[in-house]
Amino acid sequence: EAQVTQNPRYLITVTGKKLTVTCSQNMNHEYMSWYRQDPGLGLRQIYYSMNVEVTDKGDVPEGYKVSRKEKRNFPLILESPSPNQTSLYFCASSLNGGRARQAEQFFGPGTRLTVL
Amino acid sequence: QQQVKQSPQSLIVQKGGISIINCAYENTAFDYFPWYQQFPGKGPALLIAIRPDVSEKKEGRFTISFNKSAKQFSLHIMDSQPGDSATYFCAASKATGRRALTFGSGTRLQVQP
Repeated sequence: EAQVTQNPRYLITVTGKKLTVTCSQNMNHEYMSWYRQDPGLGLRQIYYSMNVEVTDKGDVPEGYKVSRKEKRNFPLILESPSPNQTSLYFCASSLNGGRARQAEQFFGPGTRLTVL
Repeated sequence: QQQVKQSPQSLIVQKGGISIINCAYENTAFDYFPWYQQFPGKGPALLIAIRPDVSEKKEGRFTISFNKSAKQFSLHIMDSQPGDSATYFCAASKATGRRALTFGSGTRLQVQP
């Protein structure tokens, strides 16, 4: 089954304790992206990656890091989480090449993070 | 600055009725306008999308109407069913470059039996 998976699905942590949220896709997509979803704000892009070893900032990158060492994986790293990073996080992926195909992004199930 | 404004925030429709959700955008560089459907505990799923060179697109019971001059687009759900109860997000992006989807704030639709 073609899908984007995220782990963990739920995480409660404390301020300052480093954490990683994993994202993996099995569709051979070049493009991957992280979003956070907050009430009344919709989804906002954190970081994106056009391909392996190519990453760049989105709209709200502060406090986050990413890496793209393999095509299928795109982990989100919070080196020193703070309470304002409590949110619902989504990973997404899409193909490169062709306006219609690359515009269609497939989303994972989400990771609900609470930082105390 | 919210570049895509969505209304209403919530909507209650009777089964068989028409659900209408409206969005307005500001950035004329956007060239891809999708609608996503999200059920509780799930990620957003692409429902239907339109490009600005088309004024209307229909897929089954779902229709997007697009008004480029007014920078507005809307989703119409015909013959609404209880299974359509979900949160709907409009979005806009450029189909090239970083392809960041700019989302509206969402509409929670409830279809009553």
